[in-house]
Amino acid sequence: RKEVEQDPGPFNVPEGATVAFNCTYSNSASQSFFWYRQDCRKEPKLLMSVYSSGNEDGRFTAQLNRASQYISLLIRDSKLSDSATYLCVVMGHSGTYKYIFGTGTRLKVLA
Amino acid sequence: DTAVSQTPKYLVTQMGNDKSIKCEQNLGHDTMYWYKQDSKKFLKIMFSYNNKELIINETVPNRFSPKSPDKAHLNLHINSLELGDSAVYFCASSQDLAGGTDTQYFGPGTRLTVL
Repeated sequence: RKEVEQDPGPFNVPEGATVAFNCTYSNSASQSFFWYRQDCRKEPKLLMSVYSSGNEDGRFTAQLNRASQYISLLIRDSKLSDSATYLCVVMGHSGTYKYIFGTGTRLKVLA
Repeated sequence: DTAVSQTPKYLVTQMGNDKSIKCEQNLGHDTMYWYKQDSKKFLKIMFSYNNKELIINETVPNRFSPKSPDKAHLNLHINSLELGDSAVYFCASSQDLAGGTDTQYFGPGTRLTVL
């Protein structure tokens, strides 16, 4: 089993739609969780951290479920500019801390 | 000003050659990283340095040798390049490694093509 798993997509949604991505992780000792966004042929950039209590940033909501070992990202009122690959990142500790990236979920928002 | 910069942006070379990629960050961060993103877009850590000391060394062929002359720079030298080394290499930095919550800032990537 991969350490961090995501549905690769693509998710094709119309503008204005709500879309949700899930990500599962295998190491129950994982400590920090993030969503990064990567545009085509660009570097990953932090979208938001994921807190135990859940957090919201504008149209984006992130949730963490430690019992089931998954995190989610909800995007409301999708914009064309939201089209990108969304990377789930889990910070694990096995001797030292390191980021473990999922393979990403590709989102296409259609006009 | 670019926070994390890498040179070159594109690198096309023949099998067997030796090449280097340079990375610099002007964020004052203590920790720097090299990642490899392959054709399937999977981003995997290769190395991590904290204050010029090697912290993470994943299972990477020893043809890859990172060098950190100071905490603002982390260069990657690759000997005897192979076809499978073709990928995008990203440099990143974060304030600290110990906390585990620091944001990582990525450079623009170096697209390496080995012919």
